Amino acid sequence: GESVGLHLPTLSVQEGDNSIINCAYSNSASDYFIWYKQESGKGPQFIIDIRSNMDKRQGQRVTVLLNKTVKHLSLQIAATQPGDSAVYFCAENPRTGNQFYFGTGTSLTVIP
Amino acid sequence: DTAVSQTPKYLVTQMGNDKSIKCEQNLGHDTMYWYKQDSKKFLKIMFSYNNKELIINETVPNRFSPKSPDKAHLNLHINSLELGDSAVYFCASSRRTDTQYFGPGTRLTVL
Repeated sequence: GESVGLHLPTLSVQEGDNSIINCAYSNSASDYFIWYKQESGKGPQFIIDIRSNMDKRQGQRVTVLLNKTVKHLSLQIAATQPGDSAVYFCAENPRTGNQFYFGTGTSLTVIP
Repeated sequence: DTAVSQTPKYLVTQMGNDKSIKCEQNLGHDTMYWYKQDSKKFLKIMFSYNNKELIINETVPNRFSPKSPDKAHLNLHINSLELGDSAVYFCASSRRTDTQYFGPGTRLTVL
């Protein structure tokens, strides 16, 4: 199967600081990537996506960067808030169907 | 309005029993999925249905059988439950290969 891995399983940041969550993917043919946020006791929620014809996409307080050369994806959260505490997943679609492959998740804890 | 809903939210049962989890989406999506999330939070796809037809069937024991009565529903039936089936099961839906929207999950505990 595909491999989507995260560099850090846990991350703690002070409230107000910026957070960066990293993800490495293995399939160079993947052309669509999504970041999901999963709060405790809930299902994953879509945060932001990016297609392979872009290297950066911004949302509200979040930015996704895609480096296809090294097959790396990152999620930047500006001015991190306690409500950002959750597990974050990256997912890639290798264009072989409807299947997304999920990374192992990074647990973000925001310290007030 | 709930986009993707699952019932029940919690399911506790004995080994060897048969149980079902139901999923419904009101987003008008044509593709639905079942995922299993283990205790380490790893999400693995089990099945994918497009317009009521099975299109992905990962390596899952045949004790697991999905059933899609219509495009808005994808139920998961599990026979002869085993301890290792304990996990959180998520249903999701999407429009073709676009973003998948997840349900709230069903926490299955097999005793």
